[in-house]
Amino acid sequence: GAVVSQHPSRVICKSGTSVKIECRSLDFQATTMFWYRQFPKQSLMLMATSNEGSKATYEQGVEKDKFLINHASLTLSTLTVTSAHPEDSSFYICSARDEIRWGGNTGELFFGEGSRLTVL
Amino acid sequence: DAKTTQPPSMDCAEGRAANLPCNHSTISGNEYVYWYRQIHSQGPQYIIHGLKNNETNEMASLIITEDRKSSTLILPHATLRDTAVYYCIVRVFGSSNTGKLIFGQGTTLQVKP
Repeated sequence: GAVVSQHPSRVICKSGTSVKIECRSLDFQATTMFWYRQFPKQSLMLMATSNEGSKATYEQGVEKDKFLINHASLTLSTLTVTSAHPEDSSFYICSARDEIRWGGNTGELFFGEGSRLTVL
Repeated sequence: DAKTTQPPSMDCAEGRAANLPCNHSTISGNEYVYWYRQIHSQGPQYIIHGLKNNETNEMASLIITEDRKSSTLILPHATLRDTAVYYCIVRVFGSSNTGKLIFGQGTTLQVKP
């Protein structure tokens, strides 16, 4: 079945550095991917919608210059946390939909396994 | 956006059916009800979705009331591996109609031996 893969699954970095997280759809094409963030014991919060070949759409309150999203191909979206600080430590999850199989907007979203970022 | 209300937690005995309720009284006629679950420290897993008819798959059954203001997810024979947070989500139609999902707080289901 369709699988969404994230890399890395865990990353530790120093404050002030930038971290890139990759999200790949393994056996389907996705013109749209979604990035979520989840803090401990909280629900998933949608950060942005990643659109292949165009700019991402950010949710209110999410800094687009802080969280850079690139969706250069139909199977890859990347999230870069720039100048990371300890408060950016979180679980980042991406998702995508098999639009060719389902069409429209009714099909299931497949989620990656998440990437846990720890900023020291 | 239609919002959902779920009990924060539920317990279920192993082998018994788990019935997870969800209220979505402001749902629009063309919005679907989705159920996902998240096992600790993993990405969410799709379970089932429906519009107005009851649905069943290998994982669960979804019962939607006739007025569509509430639904129930049924896990027919819960196992310990079904312990997770279960999210009932009504799909959002944004201006770009991208089908993004907005998660609420969900129900933490604890399956006990």
